Amino acid sequence: GQQLNQSPQSMFIQEGEDVSMNCTSSSIFNTWLWYKQDPGEGPVLLIALYKAGELTSNGRLTAQFGITRKDSFLNISASIPSDVGIYFCAGQTSGTYKYIFGTGTRLKVLA
Amino acid sequence: DTAVSQTPKYLVTQMGNDKSIKCEQNLGHDTMYWYKQDSKKFLKIMFSYNNKELIINETVPNRFSPKSPDKAHLNLHINSLELGDSAVYFCASSQAGASYEQYFGPGTRLTVT
Repeated sequence: GQQLNQSPQSMFIQEGEDVSMNCTSSSIFNTWLWYKQDPGEGPVLLIALYKAGELTSNGRLTAQFGITRKDSFLNISASIPSDVGIYFCAGQTSGTYKYIFGTGTRLKVLA
Repeated sequence: DTAVSQTPKYLVTQMGNDKSIKCEQNLGHDTMYWYKQDSKKFLKIMFSYNNKELIINETVPNRFSPKSPDKAHLNLHINSLELGDSAVYFCASSQAGASYEQYFGPGTRLTVT
């Protein structure tokens, strides 16, 4: 099945650093969702985006809906140890019920 | 108050057995999903129901059969379990036509021995 490409695949960062990751698609989406998954848990919705160019924040997290509608970006500012986990993007095309998920970015924070 | 719940959390069984996983959501959503997450953590959609009607049926062996008795419940029955069925299965729900936000359950880790 189709999957979105997420970059980077994994990253180690120092506590306090800012983190950027992105998600790219060959298809246009009308909705982008960003999730975080902790070990042994289900993905938790962080941010939802609905319009091209939209910039939305949730605490230290900021996500953007790319202008081309084929990509999205997630930034985490001043990372802390509990930011560790796998971050997934998901895209949805208008008129469908199907969400396509990214391959995930594994974040590890060094205290 | 749990929004999307699944039972059981863990399921260990032998090849050839039949098992079921149950899912319930109390969000009032009209669309529910089953996803499979493999060992590489890739999330793949399997099925989706909208108002008890099957709307997404990906390339999944017909040993897998979803059933939605009502909008708030979506169960997954698996016949003749195989080793390759070992994975984490997630239920999710959303409200189409509204926010499109999709919420996941805690997952069921299925291990087939």
